[in-house]
Amino acid sequence: GAVVSQHPSWVICKSGTSVKIECRSLDFQATTMFWYRQFPKQSLMLMATSNEGSKATYEQGVEKDKFLINHASLTLSTLTVTSAHPEDSSFYICSARGPHPYEQYFGPGTRLTVT
Amino acid sequence: DQQVKQNSPSLSVQEGRISILNCDYTNSMFDYFLWYKKYPAEGPTFLISISSIKDKNEDGRFTVFLNKSAKHLSLHIVPSQPGDSAVYFCAASAEGTYKYIFGTGTRLKVLA
Repeated sequence: GAVVSQHPSWVICKSGTSVKIECRSLDFQATTMFWYRQFPKQSLMLMATSNEGSKATYEQGVEKDKFLINHASLTLSTLTVTSAHPEDSSFYICSARGPHPYEQYFGPGTRLTVT
Repeated sequence: DQQVKQNSPSLSVQEGRISILNCDYTNSMFDYFLWYKKYPAEGPTFLISISSIKDKNEDGRFTVFLNKSAKHLSLHIVPSQPGDSAVYFCAASAEGTYKYIFGTGTRLKVLA
């Protein structure tokens, strides 16, 4: 149980275009999901907390207009990288909070490359 | 400001021996800690957790120790196996936030 999926697993896009990444909890409902990004050989950096039915809460330094988060249902959160630039190239990982509030289950990640 | 630190970027251990991975934190409000294992280009996999009301938690080959006064936790893997080779992250959460701050990771290599 407690499986989280992400789609796509990797994507290449041209500079200036927008990319949407989906995060789904497959066998449980997740009122809260989290979005992270990871640069090579660095730690996971929390970008934002996504709550079902309400606006996402962004961490300091993360542009909310650039990284649009929508959590429209109890099993789906989406991250849209708008007007992507090469510096947005990274590994994006989502997680979903499990039944126990401290539990957090991670998706397999999405590799974004902006050319 | 790195609130969670893993000062050893890498560690090599012989198969069958003990692996000890360390993690230090600065925020005294952290009260729940997790260890994750991560392979390249994959999401982290949960290993073991510990609450600040405990000083030890054990699950099979994995044991996590917490020293609150020193703001230090460690993960012991005994015996180490080649399949344990991965990057290990510790993560900490402050009461009620349920948001985790991750350490920088330690790459463990278990030699056969």
